[in-house]
Amino acid sequence: KAGVTQTPRYLIKTRGQQVTLSCSPISGHRSVSWYQQTPGQGLQFLFEYFSETQRNKGNFPGRFSGRQFSNSRSEMNVSTLELGDSALYLCASSAMAGRSSYEQYFGPGTRLTVT
Amino acid sequence: ILNVEQSPQSLHVQEGDSTNFTCSFPSSNFYALHWYRWETAKSPEALFVMTLNGDEKKKGRISATLNTKEGYSYLYIKGSQPEDSATYLCASGGVTGNQFYFGTGTSLTVIP
Repeated sequence: KAGVTQTPRYLIKTRGQQVTLSCSPISGHRSVSWYQQTPGQGLQFLFEYFSETQRNKGNFPGRFSGRQFSNSRSEMNVSTLELGDSALYLCASSAMAGRSSYEQYFGPGTRLTVT
Repeated sequence: ILNVEQSPQSLHVQEGDSTNFTCSFPSSNFYALHWYRWETAKSPEALFVMTLNGDEKKKGRISATLNTKEGYSYLYIKGSQPEDSATYLCASGGVTGNQFYFGTGTSLTVIP
């Protein structure tokens, strides 16, 4: 079955702009998580959605938001972009939520560059 | 915030060598430990999910062990091959949902 897809794969934005990234999970998966990776940092958890509800949120400012649709597709939005938001953004889908023992499947990521 | 640490940061081995890496994590509020392999320009690929103290998992030449009481996991690769070259990530998850804390990874290069 098809894997996790993310669009766009690459994006260049200017400081102050906003951006929306999209993630389509594996068919049947209802949990979508988002991560940010910056140089020298491990993957940092942004948030997790399950059945259109945000279940967990990482330690990021309110400029980072997300949502999940009824078909489990998820979008992540970053408003008022800063240079430090330049990163690889990964999403991961999982069949279930509620416990961290379910395998996560990652998408290829969106590389965001803020100039 | 959980502090997950991996060592070494990078490793170069000769083809055929066996190697191992360490992932350490806080043992409080632990529920699951995940290992991933991340090749350049690809998505992280799940290797193992472990939850129980003493768990041992194996996939081909790669195996992992888990000690939840002391808060560490080892990943072993037997007879390394060039295609094993990748960054190996571990992530610790708590009880409440899919919120994971990742280490910064061990970058493995296998020299033919």
